[in-house]
Amino acid sequence: EIQLQQSGPELVKPGASVKVSCKASGYSFTDYNMYWVKQSHGKSLEWIGYIDPYNGGTSYNQKFKGKATLTVDKSSSTAFMHLNSLTSEDSAVYYCARGGNYRGLDYWGQGTTLTVSS
Amino acid sequence: DIVLTQSPASLAVSLGQRATISCRASESVDSYGNSFMHWYQQKPGQPPKLLIYRASNLESGIPARFSGSGSRTDFTLTINPVEADDVATYYCQQSNEDPYTFGGGTKLEIK
Repeated sequence: EIQLQQSGPELVKPGASVKVSCKASGYSFTDYNMYWVKQSHGKSLEWIGYIDPYNGGTSYNQKFKGKATLTVDKSSSTAFMHLNSLTSEDSAVYYCARGGNYRGLDYWGQGTTLTVSS
Repeated sequence: DIVLTQSPASLAVSLGQRATISCRASESVDSYGNSFMHWYQQKPGQPPKLLIYRASNLESGIPARFSGSGSRTDFTLTINPVEADDVATYYCQQSNEDPYTFGGGTKLEIK
């Protein structure tokens, strides 16, 4: 069974950083890009970027360049998203999702809720 | 960036009737003979679920009540007949050009 298991909710102070993880299982981790998507409360979805686990290549939405950094650990089949200089605007649910441009995003993690508050 | 405009923002449909959701792109999302438009269903507290990929291909395990059509800039998701379990918000997404943008969503309710 294919699963993407994300790390738990985070409560962090403004100005801090956070690292969200997404552990993949049930498929060959390096065969599919891993995407990250932001959903602010009650809002639509925003594409943050993706990483190719095979070679570490990345592509970012210009809006999130400098805010998000995507990495992977192939040995543990885990993708990471580091978010820095957090503000209240970064409070949202963040999803990882497997896929590519041909097949859409076919498997999603359960989401990680990030709350930025003093 | 390619802007995706969904309409309506919300709709109420009777059980057993047809629901039609539109997604219009600010520029063509077609390349190499494919339309890179996908549709998702999201229920409260859950991640999105892929329904349709590349405009008209039904994802495995998705009921045939769901169908997609369209090309270039105009796309449609149809649910026929609507069932109670279909209450959700539906999103279109394009993957023809970075960034892979999403539509604003359409909330489906039962009348």
